Amino acid sequence: GQQVMQIPQYQHVQEGEDFTTYCNSSTTLSNIQWYKQRPGGHPVFLIQLVKSGEVKKQKRLTFQFGEAKKNSSLHITATQTTDVGTYFCAGLSNDYKLSFGAGTTVTVRA
Amino acid sequence: DVKVTQSSRYLVKRTGEKVFLECVQDMDHENMFWYRQDPGLGLRLIYFSYDVKMKEKGDIPEGYSVSREKKERFSLILESASTNQTSMYLCASSYHSGEPSYEQYFGPGTRLTVT
Repeated sequence: GQQVMQIPQYQHVQEGEDFTTYCNSSTTLSNIQWYKQRPGGHPVFLIQLVKSGEVKKQKRLTFQFGEAKKNSSLHITATQTTDVGTYFCAGLSNDYKLSFGAGTTVTVRA
Repeated sequence: DVKVTQSSRYLVKRTGEKVFLECVQDMDHENMFWYRQDPGLGLRLIYFSYDVKMKEKGDIPEGYSVSREKKERFSLILESASTNQTSMYLCASSYHSGEPSYEQYFGPGTRLTVT
């Protein structure tokens, strides 16, 4: 079945630095979604990418969908303490099944 | 705002007990999902439902069953709880179509401990 791999599992970042988390699928995706889960909270939808090569920005967050629609990345610039949490990618297969990656847990050093 | 509620935030049960986890959504969503979340494993799909009285197995259905008698309510049942079912259980719901497609709204989660 479809698998979505996400790396790194943990990201320790100095406040103000940039980082990227990557997501790879074993199969071509219809779309990819990104969620954020704050410590003690539940996953909250951030964004969806549908088109091959699509790039979307939300303030300091940049989301990219690969040309082959099998990989995606989330890049955060100038990390702040409010960025702490776990970021999940979730790939929607052609049979409408959403598969989540294991998540990247981000901690920030002030 | 979409609201997904779960019956308990914390639950402690004994091995062998039958456990019911309830989830209710108020947005008339067609789709409802049950996940378990364990450190390092992300969210794993247990069961999902696209309509009333309809259910489909997810990736890890063993030891679980579900019930969807009404559109807004989706119940997860642990027939005979075991210690390896100690986990965080998350319910989610979504529309069947539209933009963004299949965006899922999650409940606050139930942390279940089986002793």
